[in-house]
Amino acid sequence: GAVVSQHPSWVICKSGTSVKIECRSLDFQATTMFWYRQFPKQSLMLMATSNEGSKATYEQGVEKDKFLINHASLTLSTLTVTSAHPEDSSFYICSAPSQGRVNYGYTFGSGTRLTVV
Amino acid sequence: GENVEQHPSTLSVQEGDSAVIKCTYSDSASNYFPWYKQELGKRPQLIIDIRSNVGEKKDQRIAVTLNKTAKHFSLHITETQPEDSAVYFCAASWDTGRRALTFGSGTRLQVQP
Repeated sequence: GAVVSQHPSWVICKSGTSVKIECRSLDFQATTMFWYRQFPKQSLMLMATSNEGSKATYEQGVEKDKFLINHASLTLSTLTVTSAHPEDSSFYICSAPSQGRVNYGYTFGSGTRLTVV
Repeated sequence: GENVEQHPSTLSVQEGDSAVIKCTYSDSASNYFPWYKQELGKRPQLIIDIRSNVGEKKDQRIAVTLNKTAKHFSLHITETQPEDSAVYFCAASWDTGRRALTFGSGTRLQVQP
């Protein structure tokens, strides 16, 4: 069934550097990818929605220049955290409509634990 | 936009007892209501879902009920086991696939052996 591969699973970076997180749909085409952030003991909060070949839509309060999203192909969406700071430390997880089909539920990546030191 | 409220935030039950988690949603257009179990550091795992054309769905020890009029849905776990201990999230969406899920705040379930 629908699989979204997310890498890296964890990353530690220095403050001020950038980190790229990749999500690949392995056996289906993901025209849409949702990016969530989850702080410890909190819920998943939607950051942005990316659609293949167009600009991402960001949720209110999410800095689009800091969290760069690229969805250049039907199987790859990336999130780059630029100039990372300790407050960006969080669990980032992507999600796509399962099988690329509507009315079929959602598939999640395995998540990326980002720690900024 | 959609707002999903979930309670309780923590729930402790004895092994074998039942657990009930409740959620309310605000957007009457929502038509897809999944429940996820999440273990620490892992992705949410779908345990059951229901669509708005159905009032109840059951899968072994897990059931979900939906009241569209009141805009609330509930997760019922019977005969709880220690391995049911985890954080559970409800969520809601409409136009599934084109719209993201909105998650509830989560319930930490602890099943005492």
